[in-house]
Amino acid sequence: DVKVTQSSRYLVKRTGEKVFLECVQDMDHENMFWYRQDPGLGLRLIYFSYDVKMKEKGDIPEGYSVSREKKERFSLILESASTNQTSMYLCASSSTVQGSFQETQYFGPGTRLLVL
Amino acid sequence: AQSVTQPDIHITVSEGASLELRCNYSYGATPYLFWYVQSPGQGLQLLLKYFSGDTLVQGIKGFEAEFKRSQSSFNLRKPSVHWSDAAEYFCAVVPFSGGYNKLIFGAGTRLAVHP
Repeated sequence: DVKVTQSSRYLVKRTGEKVFLECVQDMDHENMFWYRQDPGLGLRLIYFSYDVKMKEKGDIPEGYSVSREKKERFSLILESASTNQTSMYLCASSSTVQGSFQETQYFGPGTRLLVL
Repeated sequence: AQSVTQPDIHITVSEGASLELRCNYSYGATPYLFWYVQSPGQGLQLLLKYFSGDTLVQGIKGFEAEFKRSQSSFNLRKPSVHWSDAAEYFCAVVPFSGGYNKLIFGAGTRLAVHP
């Protein structure tokens, strides 16, 4: 079974702190994604990566950055946390078939971040 | 605008009753279609997906979904709901084929099950 793990289930931080959210997958997937989930808005893509050291902006990248130094690990960074970044953050991974991304995305359990 | 719509925010059904969750999309070409379920405090689990072929798709946990091109819909169904089906359900689409295809989610439908 595909396993996607996230470093924390719950996190409480103060405004202005630098926050790191870690995600690890064990299926040698090429693609990794970070989403945030807010009530009534579904999931929105923050950043994704299709290879080591490669990254692409999603729909809502402002206030976030990412790092992918190893294939299995994808980190989301909040450079200076703000209260409007309080949310559930979900990581996902998928494989690439014939150069396309239509393969299923597998999700981690999520990190619920509260910024005070 | 291109979007994925789940018209029902909350649905409540009795255990043993049938269920249908609605999903509509507004993209020109037929997208790839997915249903995910999120149990409380959990990540998302794939229930089923449609890429092409038979428009009635079977998934896990007794769920099925039917793709109707004429209605731009991909509704999720289950003939008899169990209390453990209480969760939030997300419809998602990948709008195009080939290259990088972004997964677009609906806002979700929260299902409550009465005993």
